[in-house]
Amino acid sequence: EAGVTQFPSHSVIEKGQTVTLRCDPISGHDNLYWYRRVMGKEIKFLLHFVKESKQDESGMPNNRFLAERTGGTYSTLKVQPAELEDSGVYFCASSQDIGQGYEQYFGPGTRLTVT
Amino acid sequence: GQNIDQPTEMTATEGAIVQINCTYQTSGFNGLFWYQQHAGEAPTFLSYNVLDGLEEKGRFSSFLSRSKGYSYLLLKELQMKDSASYLCAAPSYNTDKLIFGTGTRLQVFP
Repeated sequence: EAGVTQFPSHSVIEKGQTVTLRCDPISGHDNLYWYRRVMGKEIKFLLHFVKESKQDESGMPNNRFLAERTGGTYSTLKVQPAELEDSGVYFCASSQDIGQGYEQYFGPGTRLTVT
Repeated sequence: GQNIDQPTEMTATEGAIVQINCTYQTSGFNGLFWYQQHAGEAPTFLSYNVLDGLEEKGRFSSFLSRSKGYSYLLLKELQMKDSASYLCAAPSYNTDKLIFGTGTRLQVFP
């Protein structure tokens, strides 16, 4: 079974530009999560989709971030316009179900550098 | 509030045993996860504890004490490939988002 995949693996953009990150969850996983790790800090939750619906977007830092999951399959996370503090590693995870003990499977992350 | 604390770095020798501690404060409790992350790779699941006690899985074991808000990951017969970051994480109560500690970077030396 293929794992969670993310594209691109690295992205370097200038401040003010737009970047779109993509996540393909494990096939059949209705739950998709975005997390972010900025330098020296812990991994922090951004949002959670159940199929195509946003279940929880309490971690989204501001309205420069837009996540979509049309059709309930892959998801995109767009940052527009990017700022220096957006640099970090963006992880996607998926899970088969929710509730006690359900493991979230993580992708390798996209390393975003804003210069 | 919710907070998870773990040491930033640890070192150990090949063949030895190492214990990585994690303390947590959460508004409710819905279990605790340990993940392993090699540099540049995805965090991978190691263990999940929801009841007190020790769960053993080969060379890795995880312990939980809910009354103390404390967990540890025990790695035995350390191998060089065990050099990685070990992440302690708990689901936020009544949601599915994971709250992570900063991770403990373990270096295993020959």
